[in-house]
Amino acid sequence: DTGVSQDPRHKITKRGQNVTFRCDPISEHNRLYWYRQTLGQGPEFLTYFQNEAQLEKSRLLSDRFSAERPKGSFSTLEIQRTEQGDSAMYLCASSFPPRLAGGYNEQFFGPGTRLTVL
Amino acid sequence: DAKTTQPNSMESNEEEPVHLPCNHSTISGTDYIHWYRQLPSQGPEYVIHGLTSNVNNRMASLAIAEDRKSSTLILHRATLRDAAVYYCILRVSYGGATNKLIFGTGTLLAVQP
Repeated sequence: DTGVSQDPRHKITKRGQNVTFRCDPISEHNRLYWYRQTLGQGPEFLTYFQNEAQLEKSRLLSDRFSAERPKGSFSTLEIQRTEQGDSAMYLCASSFPPRLAGGYNEQFFGPGTRLTVL
Repeated sequence: DAKTTQPNSMESNEEEPVHLPCNHSTISGTDYIHWYRQLPSQGPEYVIHGLTSNVNNRMASLAIAEDRKSSTLILHRATLRDAAVYYCILRVSYGGATNKLIFGTGTLLAVQP
């Protein structure tokens, strides 16, 4: 399978604990995105990397959230001191730069990590 | 990013065409119209996109109004596997620097056998 993979698929944690999620993009993709989705809502953008550089962060990404992509390949999203409001599906997506995709960078999404904070 | 308006839900019968509308009255000249869909328990997937002209691909057709203030995603023969939430999204292309997608709440399509 050469799609975007995310690990773990499910995570249950207690309030106050730290959690870390991993995303492995499609190998040729240099762009990587994180989104968060709560029940009944569309995904909300969190942050975006081009290679290892984090180029944009949403205001949704509080100080408790940090994302890295150290070698421009896989990425991690860490949430410190989790709160019940952090319970959501965390989605990762990747894409080519438009110049390699005929001018359009279709985003390919992974299956997501479902976080439940008790 | 300009806003889109979609019906919350629609129903269709299997093997019949489905027309999913989207209003985007504040669209600007550089906004592309994109459609993604999200099947149950999966991440979203790209369906189609266009700027001014109608577009066809293996999944669907996109009909864009002449004034570009609305568009319609057309599934020519709905199958049970097309049951999903369909998102209409506008995004500006900055000469190749396109990035985030701004999702709304989408249209939940139910397909009846």
